[in-house]
Amino acid sequence: DIQMTQSPSSLSASVGDRVTITCQASQGISVFLNWFQQKPGKAPKLLIYDASTLETGVPSRFSGSGSGTTFTFTINSLQPEDIATYYCQQFDDVPLTFGGGTKVEIK
Amino acid sequence: QVTLRESGPALVKPTQTLTLTCTFSGFSLSTSGMCVSWIRQPPGKALEWLALIDWDDDKYYSTSLKTRLTISKDTSKNQVVLTMTNMDPVDTATFYCARSSKGVAATVDYWGQGILVTVSS
Repeated sequence: DIQMTQSPSSLSASVGDRVTITCQASQGISVFLNWFQQKPGKAPKLLIYDASTLETGVPSRFSGSGSGTTFTFTINSLQPEDIATYYCQQFDDVPLTFGGGTKVEIK
Repeated sequence: QVTLRESGPALVKPTQTLTLTCTFSGFSLSTSGMCVSWIRQPPGKALEWLALIDWDDDKYYSTSLKTRLTISKDTSKNQVVLTMTNMDPVDTATFYCARSSKGVAATVDYWGQGILVTVSS
């Protein structure tokens, strides 16, 4: 199975800050990586697919980059509505696997 | 418009078998590339992928849970069923079904709202 290691597990930042989350795959997965946002009591929402492609309707302050084993998710100018837990997920192979999540809070 | 909805018991007893149904609309599971996955999330914990069934009736399972899981589909009813045997309190979780449309190893793009299943005597 491909293991996805996400860091940090939580972070606190101020409104307007730039936030960066890292996801490391245990083996190369090309660009077959998604980023999801999950708010309490809600299903995950797809933000970015193929490592860097923004899903339709997702604000441009969200971005993703990387390939192979190391990936980065960035929120430029954190907004109050961005408070959520973010997950990476690889789809290079089954079993599909998720990172452990990053909880983003406002300082 | 693609929608998925999970249904099943909210409470099961330890050792029982859980049966969940995903009823979907807006796509057909007989269309090439279409797949439905089940994913669970224990309270306060991370997402865990469980199983997937594809348009060709091929099935894929979590390595650690494959002995306890069975996934099946009824294309005529637009339903996918997941059974999980020998339930334990640590299996308490919200269970989601979700769709992908570009094959087995592909982006999950639509999710159901989830169903919380509690395992307790």
